[in-house]
Amino acid sequence: ETGVTQSPTHLIKTRGQQVTLRCSSQSGHNTVSWYQQALGQGPQFIFQYYREEENGRGNFPPRFSGLQFPNYSSELNVNALELDDSALYLCASSPRQGAYEQYFGPGTRLTVT
Amino acid sequence: SQQGEEDPQALSIQEGENATMNCSYKTSINNLQWYRQNSGRGLVHLILIRSNEREKHSGRLRVTLDTSKKSSSLLITASRAADTASYFCATGPPWGDNQGGKLIFGQGTELSVKP
Repeated sequence: ETGVTQSPTHLIKTRGQQVTLRCSSQSGHNTVSWYQQALGQGPQFIFQYYREEENGRGNFPPRFSGLQFPNYSSELNVNALELDDSALYLCASSPRQGAYEQYFGPGTRLTVT
Repeated sequence: SQQGEEDPQALSIQEGENATMNCSYKTSINNLQWYRQNSGRGLVHLILIRSNEREKHSGRLRVTLDTSKKSSSLLITASRAADTASYFCATGPPWGDNQGGKLIFGQGTELSVKP
């Protein structure tokens, strides 16, 4: 267990709705990254937050947005859900910014119908 | 977009045998990492090798990196049924590359270790 927690575990939403996913980082970690993993694929980087600021973004549209709070926990918000947004959303924390070893939570499985 | 290509896509071996997985990537890197994922759950970090290193060991794991060929391999020795999982390589961008913490993952190798 990494100490990174995510909620909820599973979620079913309808196309066009909005969703918020939550992540608590491991104690002492000030950096949080979010990834989307479609079935049978590797994770794809959405963005990273370091000390409450976005610190890099992958190839995702603006309807994917995030927040990091002073306690370093984080939220991922997705607006105007599309069927292709169905995936496992993974949060990972690390003790420093950048592309170093990351500690993943168990993920939130989002299904869009 | 995914940078790494892993080979093979699936591997089935008997307990006690060695498992070798390969990863190729396309752009310059600062480091290359290997992760394990059990049944669609969270990923577990296994090992990180920096671009100026050629080989690294951790327990039953041995990782090699050849930056001239843009490739890496992960060897698991004396495999166990508990090693059954998907294995992913992930690359980190070079220093000064303004991509924040963007780790780029391959598509993974599905390893099955039969008792």
